[in-house]
Amino acid sequence: DVKVTQSSRYLVKRTGEKVFLECVQDMDHENMFWYRQDPGLGLRLIYFSYDVKMKEKGDIPEGYSVSREKKERFSLILESASTNQTSMYLCASSLRVGTGVTGELFFGEGSRLTVL
Amino acid sequence: GENVEQHPSTLSVQEGDSAVIKCTYSDSASNYFPWYKQELGKGPQLIIDIRSNVGEKKDQRIAVTLNKTAKHFSLHITETQPEDSAVYFCAAVSASKIIFGSGTRLSIRP
Repeated sequence: DVKVTQSSRYLVKRTGEKVFLECVQDMDHENMFWYRQDPGLGLRLIYFSYDVKMKEKGDIPEGYSVSREKKERFSLILESASTNQTSMYLCASSLRVGTGVTGELFFGEGSRLTVL
Repeated sequence: GENVEQHPSTLSVQEGDSAVIKCTYSDSASNYFPWYKQELGKGPQLIIDIRSNVGEKKDQRIAVTLNKTAKHFSLHITETQPEDSAVYFCAAVSASKIIFGSGTRLSIRP
């Protein structure tokens, strides 16, 4: 079975703390994504990566950074957490076809972050 | 910017009835249209998809239709069952971008 694993299902952090959200996939996918999910706003792309050490900004990258040192692992970093970053964070991966994004995304179960 | 509008945001139907969710996209370069289902406490999962060279696709009780001229696509669920209760997302995919709709919360009444 294909699997995308997010290390933490629930986190509570304080304003100003540094937060790491880890994601690992076992499908040898080239593409990996971090989305933020908020009610009524759907899934908004924070960052994606199409290869090791490569990253591209999504629609809402402000306040976030990412790291992809190995193909299977994609980390989302909040350098200084703020209350407006309280949200559900979803990691996903997909195969890469040609030079573009491809069809099916495989999602992890999400990490619900609360910043106090 | 490019976007995908999804309606309705919430939908309640009687068990056994049909449910329809509609999406409109703006990016003419979109050529792939997947639908994802997110059950409570889980990540979204692909349930059906359609490519731009096809007008309709069916898989048991679910079907998707695409009108590329009007930039509309829809998800149809027939004979709804309690396990169909979930949040559904449409998406429009081009070579460079995946754009999601805002989601529809579907509830099935017993």
